[in-house]
Amino acid sequence: SAVISQKPSRDICQRGTSLTIQCQVDSQVTMMFWYRQQPGQSLTLIATANQGSEATYESGFVIDKFPISRPNLTFSTLTVSNMSPEDSSIYLCSVEGGTGAANEQFFGPGTRLTVL
Amino acid sequence: AQKVTQAQTEISVVEKEDVTLDCVYETRDTTYYLFWYKQPPSGELVFLIRRNSFDEQNEISGRYSWNFQKSTSSFNFTITASQVVDSAVYFCALSELHTGKLIFGQGTTLQVKP
Repeated sequence: SAVISQKPSRDICQRGTSLTIQCQVDSQVTMMFWYRQQPGQSLTLIATANQGSEATYESGFVIDKFPISRPNLTFSTLTVSNMSPEDSSIYLCSVEGGTGAANEQFFGPGTRLTVL
Repeated sequence: AQKVTQAQTEISVVEKEDVTLDCVYETRDTTYYLFWYKQPPSGELVFLIRRNSFDEQNEISGRYSWNFQKSTSSFNFTITASQVVDSAVYFCALSELHTGKLIFGQGTTLQVKP
Protein backbone atom coordinates (compact mmCIF):
# COMPACT_ATOMS: atom_id res chain seq x y z
CA SER A 1 0.00 0.00 0.00
CA ALA A 2 1.04 3.61 -0.53
CA VAL A 3 1.99 5.74 2.46
CA ILE A 4 0.54 9.22 2.24
CA SER A 5 1.31 12.23 4.39
CA GLN A 6 -0.47 15.55 4.52
CA LYS A 7 0.56 18.91 5.91
CA PRO A 8 -0.74 20.58 7.93
CA SER A 9 -2.74 18.06 9.90
CA ARG A 10 -5.02 20.82 11.15
CA ASP A 11 -5.31 24.59 11.03
CA ILE A 12 -7.54 27.39 12.21
CA CYS A 13 -7.75 30.23 9.72
CA GLN A 14 -9.37 33.60 9.43
CA ARG A 15 -12.06 34.40 6.92
CA GLY A 16 -10.69 35.74 3.64
CA THR A 17 -7.29 34.08 3.90
CA SER A 18 -5.94 31.10 1.92
CA LEU A 19 -4.40 27.82 3.01
CA THR A 20 -2.28 25.43 0.98
CA ILE A 21 -2.40 21.75 1.88
CA GLN A 22 0.40 19.43 0.81
CA CYS A 23 0.11 15.75 -0.04
CA GLN A 24 3.20 13.57 -0.33
CA VAL A 25 3.23 9.91 -1.39
CA ASP A 26 6.07 7.47 -0.82
CA SER A 27 5.86 6.01 -4.33
CA GLN A 28 5.02 7.21 -7.80
CA VAL A 29 1.30 7.06 -8.51
CA THR A 30 -0.69 7.89 -11.58
CA MET A 31 -3.89 9.12 -10.02
CA MET A 32 -4.20 11.58 -7.16
CA PHE A 33 -7.44 13.01 -5.91
CA TRP A 34 -8.64 15.64 -3.46
CA TYR A 35 -11.78 15.10 -1.39
CA ARG A 36 -13.69 17.26 1.04
CA GLN A 37 -15.60 15.98 4.05
CA GLN A 38 -17.83 18.59 5.62
CA PRO A 39 -18.75 18.09 9.29
CA GLY A 40 -20.90 15.01 9.76
CA GLN A 41 -21.04 14.37 6.04
CA SER A 42 -19.65 11.92 3.53
CA LEU A 43 -16.71 12.52 1.23
CA THR A 44 -17.09 14.52 -1.96
CA LEU A 45 -14.53 14.59 -4.74
CA ILE A 46 -13.17 18.06 -5.43
CA ALA A 47 -10.85 17.26 -8.33
CA THR A 48 -8.42 14.87 -9.94
CA ALA A 49 -4.87 16.19 -9.78
CA ASN A 50 -3.22 15.56 -13.14
CA GLN A 51 0.54 15.51 -13.40
CA GLY A 52 1.79 18.10 -15.84
CA SER A 53 -1.61 19.53 -16.69
CA GLU A 54 -4.53 21.33 -15.13
CA ALA A 55 -6.64 19.50 -12.57
CA THR A 56 -10.04 18.12 -13.53
CA TYR A 57 -12.72 19.61 -11.29
CA GLU A 58 -16.05 18.11 -10.30
CA SER A 59 -19.30 19.94 -10.62
CA GLY A 60 -19.56 22.64 -7.98
CA PHE A 61 -15.81 23.13 -7.58
CA VAL A 62 -13.76 25.70 -9.50
CA ILE A 63 -10.09 26.35 -10.00
CA ASP A 64 -10.22 29.89 -8.63
CA LYS A 65 -11.46 28.61 -5.28
CA PHE A 66 -9.45 25.37 -5.13
CA PRO A 67 -6.28 25.70 -7.21
CA ILE A 68 -4.35 22.44 -7.40
CA SER A 69 -0.78 21.70 -8.38
CA ARG A 70 0.77 18.35 -9.29
CA PRO A 71 4.41 18.94 -10.21
CA ASN A 72 5.41 15.26 -10.16
CA LEU A 73 4.10 11.75 -9.52
CA THR A 74 4.52 11.86 -5.74
CA PHE A 75 3.32 15.32 -4.70
CA SER A 76 0.30 17.58 -4.96
CA THR A 77 -1.06 20.69 -3.28
CA LEU A 78 -4.59 21.96 -2.79
CA THR A 79 -5.19 25.60 -1.93
CA VAL A 80 -8.42 26.72 -0.32
CA SER A 81 -8.72 30.37 -1.35
CA ASN A 82 -10.59 33.29 0.17
CA MET A 83 -11.90 31.06 2.92
CA SER A 84 -15.27 31.34 4.61
CA PRO A 85 -16.68 29.36 7.56
CA GLU A 86 -18.44 27.09 5.03
CA ASP A 87 -15.00 25.82 4.00
CA SER A 88 -14.49 24.26 7.43
CA SER A 89 -13.99 20.61 6.56
CA ILE A 90 -11.55 17.77 6.49
CA TYR A 91 -9.59 17.76 3.24
CA LEU A 92 -8.17 14.43 2.17
CA CYS A 93 -5.91 13.44 -0.65
CA SER A 94 -6.04 9.96 -2.03
CA VAL A 95 -4.04 7.96 -4.51
CA GLU A 96 -4.85 5.05 -6.70
CA GLY A 97 -2.39 2.26 -7.04
CA GLY A 98 1.16 2.56 -5.96
CA THR A 99 3.29 -0.49 -6.34
CA GLY A 100 1.18 -3.35 -7.74
CA ALA A 101 -2.10 -2.04 -6.37
CA ALA A 102 -4.06 -0.77 -9.35
CA ASN A 103 -7.52 0.45 -8.42
CA GLU A 104 -6.84 0.21 -4.72
CA GLN A 105 -7.27 3.62 -3.21
CA PHE A 106 -5.56 4.91 -0.15
CA PHE A 107 -6.16 8.08 1.76
CA GLY A 108 -3.94 10.48 3.56
CA PRO A 109 -4.62 11.30 7.21
CA GLY A 110 -6.55 14.43 6.27
CA THR A 111 -6.25 18.13 7.06
CA ARG A 112 -8.82 19.41 9.50
CA LEU A 113 -9.58 23.02 8.62
CA THR A 114 -11.58 25.42 10.76
CA VAL A 115 -12.39 28.85 9.37
CA LEU A 116 -13.44 31.54 11.82
CA ALA B 1 -25.75 8.19 -12.83
CA GLN B 2 -23.69 6.37 -10.30
CA LYS B 3 -24.88 6.31 -6.74
CA VAL B 4 -24.20 4.54 -3.47
CA THR B 5 -26.85 4.28 -0.77
CA GLN B 6 -26.26 3.33 2.82
CA ALA B 7 -29.74 3.42 4.24
CA GLN B 8 -28.66 2.89 7.85
CA THR B 9 -27.54 6.21 9.29
CA GLU B 10 -26.74 4.91 12.76
CA ILE B 11 -26.58 1.45 14.31
CA SER B 12 -26.07 0.68 17.97
CA VAL B 13 -25.23 -2.80 19.22
CA VAL B 14 -23.91 -4.37 22.35
CA GLU B 15 -20.47 -5.92 22.29
CA LYS B 16 -20.34 -9.47 20.88
CA GLU B 17 -23.42 -8.99 18.76
CA ASP B 18 -23.16 -9.50 15.00
CA VAL B 19 -24.01 -6.50 12.86
CA THR B 20 -24.57 -6.04 9.13
CA LEU B 21 -24.08 -2.75 7.32
CA ASP B 22 -26.01 -2.44 4.10
CA CYS B 23 -24.78 -0.91 0.84
CA VAL B 24 -26.71 -0.63 -2.41
CA TYR B 25 -25.22 0.88 -5.53
CA GLU B 26 -26.26 2.04 -8.98
CA THR B 27 -24.03 2.07 -12.05
CA ARG B 28 -24.27 1.61 -15.79
CA ASP B 29 -20.72 0.31 -16.01
CA THR B 30 -20.19 -3.41 -16.44
CA THR B 31 -16.78 -3.23 -14.79
CA TYR B 32 -16.39 -1.39 -11.53
CA TYR B 33 -14.93 -1.68 -8.05
CA LEU B 34 -16.61 -1.54 -4.68
CA PHE B 35 -14.91 -0.52 -1.48
CA TRP B 36 -15.50 -0.36 2.23
CA TYR B 37 -13.65 2.11 4.43
CA LYS B 38 -13.65 2.66 8.18
CA GLN B 39 -13.34 6.12 9.70
CA PRO B 40 -12.67 5.97 13.45
CA PRO B 41 -13.11 9.06 15.65
CA SER B 42 -9.54 10.10 14.89
CA GLY B 43 -10.67 10.87 11.34
CA GLU B 44 -8.36 8.87 9.10
CA LEU B 45 -9.92 6.69 6.44
CA VAL B 46 -8.90 3.06 6.72
CA PHE B 47 -9.16 0.83 3.66
CA LEU B 48 -10.98 -2.45 4.43
CA ILE B 49 -11.72 -4.15 1.14
CA ARG B 50 -11.93 -3.76 -2.61
CA ARG B 51 -14.08 -6.03 -4.74
CA ASN B 52 -14.26 -5.99 -8.53
CA SER B 53 -17.53 -6.51 -10.33
CA PHE B 54 -16.52 -9.85 -11.83
CA ASP B 55 -15.78 -11.46 -8.52
CA GLU B 56 -18.94 -12.32 -6.62
CA GLN B 57 -17.29 -14.60 -4.14
CA ASN B 58 -17.94 -13.64 -0.58
CA GLU B 59 -14.88 -12.73 1.44
CA ILE B 60 -14.01 -13.25 5.06
CA SER B 61 -11.20 -11.57 6.94
CA GLY B 62 -11.17 -12.39 10.62
CA ARG B 63 -14.40 -11.03 12.12
CA TYR B 64 -15.24 -9.17 8.92
CA SER B 65 -17.13 -10.61 5.97
CA TRP B 66 -18.56 -9.15 2.81
CA ASN B 67 -21.50 -10.34 0.72
CA PHE B 68 -21.53 -9.11 -2.89
CA GLN B 69 -24.79 -9.72 -4.75
CA LYS B 70 -24.65 -8.35 -8.26
CA SER B 71 -28.28 -9.32 -8.91
CA THR B 72 -29.45 -6.92 -6.19
CA SER B 73 -26.58 -4.43 -6.58
CA SER B 74 -25.64 -4.87 -2.96
CA PHE B 75 -22.33 -5.13 -1.14
CA ASN B 76 -23.09 -5.71 2.52
CA PHE B 77 -20.57 -5.83 5.33
CA THR B 78 -20.93 -7.99 8.44
CA ILE B 79 -18.94 -7.72 11.64
CA THR B 80 -19.13 -10.84 13.76
CA ALA B 81 -18.79 -10.63 17.54
CA SER B 82 -18.50 -6.86 17.48
CA GLN B 83 -16.06 -5.07 19.76
CA VAL B 84 -15.97 -1.55 21.17
CA VAL B 85 -13.03 -0.77 18.87
CA ASP B 86 -15.31 -1.36 15.89
CA SER B 87 -17.14 1.88 16.74
CA ALA B 88 -16.63 4.14 13.74
CA VAL B 89 -18.26 5.51 10.63
CA TYR B 90 -18.22 3.00 7.79
CA PHE B 91 -18.35 4.12 4.17
CA CYS B 92 -19.20 2.08 1.13
CA ALA B 93 -17.86 3.44 -2.17
CA LEU B 94 -18.03 2.73 -5.89
CA SER B 95 -15.14 3.40 -8.24
CA GLU B 96 -15.43 4.53 -11.81
CA LEU B 97 -13.08 2.15 -13.57
CA HIS B 98 -11.41 4.50 -16.01
CA THR B 99 -11.25 7.63 -13.91
CA GLY B 100 -10.57 6.11 -10.50
CA LYS B 101 -13.03 8.50 -8.87
CA LEU B 102 -14.79 7.20 -5.78
CA ILE B 103 -18.47 7.81 -5.16
CA PHE B 104 -19.22 7.44 -1.48
CA GLY B 105 -22.35 6.48 0.35
CA GLN B 106 -23.58 8.63 3.18
CA GLY B 107 -21.88 6.48 5.78
CA THR B 108 -23.19 4.38 8.66
CA THR B 109 -22.20 5.28 12.20
CA LEU B 110 -21.71 2.13 14.23
CA GLN B 111 -21.67 2.34 17.99
CA VAL B 112 -20.66 -0.77 19.90
CA LYS B 113 -21.48 -0.53 23.58
CA PRO B 114 -19.62 -2.56 26.19
